[in-house]
Amino acid sequence: AQKITQTQPGMFVQEKEAVTLDCTYDTSDQSYGLFWYKQPSSGEMIFLIYQGSYDEQNATEGRYSLNFQKARKSANLVISASQLGDSAMYFCAMRGSRSNDYKLSFGAGTTVTVRA
Amino acid sequence: NAGVTQTPKFRILKIGQSMTLQCAQDMNHNYMYWYRQDPGMGLKLIYYSVGAGITDKGEVPNGYNVSRSTTEDFPLRLELAAPSQTSVYFCASSHGGIGTNEKLFFGSGTQLSVL
Repeated sequence: AQKITQTQPGMFVQEKEAVTLDCTYDTSDQSYGLFWYKQPSSGEMIFLIYQGSYDEQNATEGRYSLNFQKARKSANLVISASQLGDSAMYFCAMRGSRSNDYKLSFGAGTTVTVRA
Repeated sequence: NAGVTQTPKFRILKIGQSMTLQCAQDMNHNYMYWYRQDPGMGLKLIYYSVGAGITDKGEVPNGYNVSRSTTEDFPLRLELAAPSQTSVYFCASSHGGIGTNEKLFFGSGTQLSVL
């Protein structure tokens, strides 16, 4: 079974500052993938960043970086230089291996509000 | 390139009615998924399919049925709609069979209200 935990229901951040969104996970798979998705108020799901369980380097995509600590089973998302357009709900997700049919399980999400 | 197409975008049902949410993808993806998202919550997996003719239950399958007669289509059937099925439904797909790094492609969602 896979479980994703996001403990921060909502966060406020000042424009141009950095924000860290927490994510912890639990899985029996040795190989797995971790994802972050953004869901703006319009409702669509936007892929942000991916981290593989065997990747030694932390993933980065523009202003997004993933702080991956495998031993602690955490995969925190860092958004640098926040912009007003970053206001959205953010979901951490984990994709299991073939034995789990590559299912993607989601956390409950964190709402980020960027203040001007 | 259409990607994942869901219809309808909005629907209001009366308790006890039935309906089918349509999902089609044009990327020749093997894996398809149905999720529901309750207000302010994360996505929960209802059903998924790893190829035509193969379907399996996710976390919350009760009250729903699916079929996968073609690679492209993965309709979700609601029988005897209940207020607890009021939610936003997302269909998603991925190629599958390669590894854990494949991101899912999502449809735009169907907002369903059961009154």
